[in-house]
Amino acid sequence: DAGVTQSPTHLIKTRGQQVTLRCSPKSGHDTVSWYQQALGQGPQFIFQYYEEEERQRGNFPDRFSGHQFPNYSSELNVNALLLGDSALYLCASSWGLVAGYNEQFFGPGTRLTVL
Amino acid sequence: DAKTTQPTSMDCAEGRAANLPCNHSTISGNEYVYWYRQIHSQGPQYIIHGLKNNETNEMASLIITEDRKSSTLILPHATLRDTAVYYCIVRANNDMRFGAGTRLTVKP
Repeated sequence: DAGVTQSPTHLIKTRGQQVTLRCSPKSGHDTVSWYQQALGQGPQFIFQYYEEEERQRGNFPDRFSGHQFPNYSSELNVNALLLGDSALYLCASSWGLVAGYNEQFFGPGTRLTVL
Repeated sequence: DAKTTQPTSMDCAEGRAANLPCNHSTISGNEYVYWYRQIHSQGPQYIIHGLKNNETNEMASLIITEDRKSSTLILPHATLRDTAVYYCIVRANNDMRFGAGTRLTVKP
C-alpha cells in the first residue's frame, strides 16, 4: 500500500517563474492538504482540497493555488515566485472532512529553491 | 497561530523514557491533541492523538490532564532513532497549526 507520494523531489526555479508540485494521496484517502515549511520552522497550512474544491485556506496570497482531480490527486501551483517561497512543500492526505480525529499522513515533500 | 507551547529542546539518554510536555491552555472542548514528529528533511510522522482520555499505542503514550490544558508525550524506551522534532498540535478540523516543536536529542 503506497503512502503519500510527491513529485518532484527537488526543484530549482528563478524569481518570477511559476511552479507546479504534485501529490498522490494514500490509498483510500480523499482529502489533500498542502503545507509550506521554511527552514527551521514548523509546517504552515496553505490549503485543503476535498471533492475537487478548496475547503480551507491558510494565510497565503492568491499566488498560491491548487487543484484536485477526480482520482483525488492534487497539484499546488505558485505564480510569480519570490525568494521567500523557497521551502519544503508538504502534502498530507486524510479521509473526509470530519472534525479532527482522523490523522493526516504526510508525504516526503518537495524541496523548492528559488534563485 | 499555534495554540500550543513546547520547550525548544530536550535531551534524553538512550533506553530511558522521554517525557515531552505541551501546554494548550486555550484548548476548546472539541479539539483533539495530536503529536507528530519530523526526522530531518522528512515529512512529519503521526505518533498519537487523544481527546480526553490517556492513549497508548505501539509508539508512545499520551497523558492529558483532567482540565485538558496540558499533555505529555511519553516515549517509554527512547532509541537514537527517536531523535527528531516533536510537534504538539490541537485541532478540531483538517487544518493543523504547527508550532516550532521540541527538538529531542537521544544520546548514547
